[in-house]
Formats: sequence, C-alpha cells, structure tokens
Amino acid sequence: DTEVTQTPKHLVMGMTNKKSLKCEQHMGHRAMYWYKQKAKKPPELMFVYSYEKLSINESVPSRFSPECPNSSLLNLHLHALQPEDSALYLCASSHSRANSLNQPQHFGDGTRLSIL
Amino acid sequence: SQQGEEDPQALSIQEGENATMNCSYKTSINNLQWYRQNSGRGLVHLILIRSNEREKHSGRLRVTLDTSKKSSSLLITASRAADTASYFCATVPQLGTSGSRLTFGEGTQLTVNP
Repeated sequence: DTEVTQTPKHLVMGMTNKKSLKCEQHMGHRAMYWYKQKAKKPPELMFVYSYEKLSINESVPSRFSPECPNSSLLNLHLHALQPEDSALYLCASSHSRANSLNQPQHFGDGTRLSIL
Repeated sequence: SQQGEEDPQALSIQEGENATMNCSYKTSINNLQWYRQNSGRGLVHLILIRSNEREKHSGRLRVTLDTSKKSSSLLITASRAADTASYFCATVPQLGTSGSRLTFGEGTQLTVNP
C-alpha cells in the first residue's frame, strides 16, 4: 500500500461530464503534485502546490482545474475533457518547498482515466 | 518537456544476472533520482544522488553520477523476477524558478526471467 491515496482508481467519463480526482496524504508533506502519464511514457508534471498555494502550472489547459483545500488533500477537477486526455493521473507529495529539492516524491497508484 | 534519455529502452535478463540502465540529461542539476514503476502502479523512489556525489549504494542498487558527462547509471545486482518493472531517472534542476520540479527520462523496461 502506498502512503498517498488516490480515488477513484478508474474513471470513465464523457466529454461533457464534470468529475474530480482526489488525492490524500497524511505524512505532513506540504508540497503536492499532479502528473499525467500516457502508456509507456514517463510522467509529465502538470501542477505543483506548495503550502496549499499553486506554485507551478505547466501550461495545462483550463479544462483541468486543481484545488488544494488543506495540507492533506489535493483535487483535480475535470470538465469538457478530450479523448487525448485519457491517461493515468498520478498524485505525489514531498516535504516542504524549503528543502524539497533533496527530498524524494511519494506517489499514489493513480487514477486511470478514460474519456469516451 | 523531458530532458532525460535512458538506454536501453528495454532490457531482458535471467534471474541472478546484473542489470545496468543508463540515463543522460541536458541541464545542470541539483540531484538525480531513480524511480521504479510496476505495471499499473505508481512510482516508487529508489535512490537519490546529489550533484556533488559520484556513487551511492542501497542494498542491491548502485548508482553513479558523472556531471561532466551529464549521465548516470543504475546497476541492480543479482536480479530477481520481482525486479521486473519500468525504471525512470528524474532530475531536479539547480536552484532557480523551477523549484521542486522533477523531469523524467523516457524509462527502461526491465524484464527478469525466472
């Protein structure tokens, strides 16, 4: 079992649906991340939150909307997605930004998202 | 964008043999990390090597770093079937606006045959 919990594990949605992915960690980490991973490719960074504030947005389309309601939770709100958005969405966390450069990231098992 | 390249892309060996994977990168780094990903799972951190270190060991893992060549290697000794997974290197840039951004290489798919 991983220390970062992602729900749901699988999600199938139509292009007009609105859904949310959730991520939770209780390790006291203050940096949290969203990644997108296509099959047989490496993860690609989408967003970074540091102390509940958005610090990095890798030019992600606005149909993906992140939210960090508190230090343990990270959400990714989805709306009007395209078939090419089908992928594994991974959440990760690490220690605070002050010393995060030399800290590993802890990953959840991801949400496998399919857009019909 | 991904700055790392790994080779080989795929590696198939027999149980008990050693496996070596290589990673190259393009920009100056603060540290380089290796992660393992089993099929359908998230990534698991294996080892971190800082830019001022040249070699690091953890159990059956040995990582080297050559900053002059901008390359790193991961050696897994006495491999086991359970080592079958994808292995990714990831770099963290030196201090700057990039913050805690990890940039992953393309990965090596390792298959260890029993």
